[in-house]
Amino acid sequence: NAGVTQTPKFRVLKTGQSMTLLCAQDMNHEYMYWYRQDPGMGLRLIHYSVGEGTTAKGEVPDGYNVSRLKKQNFLLGLESAAPSQTSVYFCASSPGQFGYTFGSGTRLTVV
Amino acid sequence: KNEVEQSPQNLTAQEGEFITINCSYSVGISALHWLQQHPGGGIVSLFMLSSGKKKHGRLIATINIQEKHSSLHITASHPRDSAVYICAVGSGSARQLTFGSGTQLTVLP
Repeated sequence: NAGVTQTPKFRVLKTGQSMTLLCAQDMNHEYMYWYRQDPGMGLRLIHYSVGEGTTAKGEVPDGYNVSRLKKQNFLLGLESAAPSQTSVYFCASSPGQFGYTFGSGTRLTVV
Repeated sequence: KNEVEQSPQNLTAQEGEFITINCSYSVGISALHWLQQHPGGGIVSLFMLSSGKKKHGRLIATINIQEKHSSLHITASHPRDSAVYICAVGSGSARQLTFGSGTQLTVLP
């Protein structure tokens, strides 16, 4: 019973490089979310999805794109990484009424 | 936009002490979550509350909807309780969360 799996767990990027973070859940949850966590701040919502084929912007969407082609997967893309995107990224999923399950996080450093 | 305030930011306790962490928010919500984050970063959901009180082992969470306030209590604290405790409130059609900045709890043996 894997829950929410994020890959990769760690990554170092050079400024301007691109990458995709993968979030996969095996609980058949409708809702999926991408958050970022920065020191001294609460987690902030980047993008979210309320079902397969849908995405919406959160609080801090600039510089990121997302896709949810399959219900179980939610991808977060950085087209041209910037040092300001150095952060820990968390994916989460929810059935909509009964709480959240979080992934273990991806620590991204942009140099 | 909901503002979520937690207090204290840092808390050091001796093993066995009773601990309280507070959370207040500014706008009506669908539910309030208490989360735990250990060093190494994983986030675990402890409670989801929309009213009243919930208990799980040594942990108790309460919420007062009228006052927009919640508390997390830990009875008979133990060093393994050392972690960051995060309050988050859910609102919006997608139940997206707004997070407090967390309380770093250290329990000394």
